[in-house]
Amino acid sequence: AQKVTQAQTEISVVEKEDVTLDCVYETRDTTYYLFWYKQPPSGELVFLIRRNSFDEQNEISGRYSWNFQKSTSSFNFTITASQVVDSAVYFCALIGTPQGGSEKLVFGKGTKLTVNP
Amino acid sequence: AAGVIQSPRHLIKEKRETATLKCYPIPRHDTVYWYQQGPGQDPQFLISFYEKMQSDKGSIPDRFSAQQFSDYHSELNMSSLELGDSALYFCASSYFYEQYFGPGTRLTVT
Repeated sequence: AQKVTQAQTEISVVEKEDVTLDCVYETRDTTYYLFWYKQPPSGELVFLIRRNSFDEQNEISGRYSWNFQKSTSSFNFTITASQVVDSAVYFCALIGTPQGGSEKLVFGKGTKLTVNP
Repeated sequence: AAGVIQSPRHLIKEKRETATLKCYPIPRHDTVYWYQQGPGQDPQFLISFYEKMQSDKGSIPDRFSAQQFSDYHSELNMSSLELGDSALYFCASSYFYEQYFGPGTRLTVT
């Protein structure tokens, strides 16, 4: 079975603070894919990043960075110098590669981030 | 860049009625997915299609059915609607594991 755990239900920060959103996953697949999606108050789901299980390089995109550690089954997301527009629910998700090739996303429960001015 | 198109964006139906949601995937994406997101919840996988064939099925009620047509658009048909079907319904399309979501259809059952 596959599972994604986002232990932080809600986080509140003040603008310009750095914030890290935690994600821990479980899977028996040797090849899998990890994702982060952003869901702003308007409701759409915005793709942020995909990371393959065989690529542990961390990634930085502007103020966003991701730390993937297979040893701890974690894929954490850091926003540097947060802004009010970062306020959203952030979902971590997983696709495994079981026999049959199902590509359904398994989501965590999400972390609601509020950035206050 | 083209995105996933969903229609309608909002839908209000009464109990026991039928609803049809439509999805137009990103061109050249070979897989379409449907997800349901209840209030305050994470999206839950319903069903997927690869090259117009059903490829996987999640916790989709028997009252729901879906198909993908020759032009690759997909429709989710929901019958005998219940209050608990009120949710945001997302369609996503993908090419090699990256799923891009449409804006969603917000279904309200009264």
